Amino acid sequence: DIQMTQSPSSLPASLGDRVTITCRASQDIGNYLRWFQQKPGKSPRLMIYGATNLAAGVPSRFSGSRSGSDYSLTINSLESEDMAIYYCLQHNEYPFTFGSGTKLEIK
Amino acid sequence: QVQLQQSGAELAKPGTSVKLSCKASGYTFTSYYIYWVKQRPGQGLEWIGYIYPGNGGTYYSEKFKGKATFTADTSSSTAYMLLGSLTPEDSAYYFCARHYLAYWGQGTLVTVSS
Repeated sequence: DIQMTQSPSSLPASLGDRVTITCRASQDIGNYLRWFQQKPGKSPRLMIYGATNLAAGVPSRFSGSRSGSDYSLTINSLESEDMAIYYCLQHNEYPFTFGSGTKLEIK
Repeated sequence: QVQLQQSGAELAKPGTSVKLSCKASGYTFTSYYIYWVKQRPGQGLEWIGYIYPGNGGTYYSEKFKGKATFTADTSSSTAYMLLGSLTPEDSAYYFCARHYLAYWGQGTLVTVSS
């Protein structure tokens, strides 16, 4: 199975900060990488697809990028509504695998 | 609009089975995979597998082979997941989601306790 190593596991940040979360794939996954946001008691929400494409309705302060086997989610100018847990997912091959999650919280 | 409506919370005894449902609306049910995802309280997301309602094809992550069984009723646009031989480690939220997890159900909490 493809392993997705996500870091950091916890990310304290202040409102207005720029933050970056990273997932490293253990094998080539091309751009078959998605990012999800999950708030307490809610279902995950798709934020980024194809490693770099913003999903419908997602604010433009979110962006995705790729450098080799490292995939990053960046949030510019953090807002209070962004506090959540973020997960990456590879869907290049079965079984799909999620990263372990990053909890973004107010410093 | 696309909606996935999941069945209500389940309380089950160890060794028994539960069957969860996921009713789809707002799109052609037979044209998209349905994925199932497990999340233990306070833990991360775990992909279980999929069913393709168009032909009934299924795939199970190795960990869930023998534990989960997917079926689909095209007449009611409903996907099902049967969880068997329940143990406390099966206590979790279970989500259904449409291909490729752009649309999610609200989740079903399964609690396994004697």
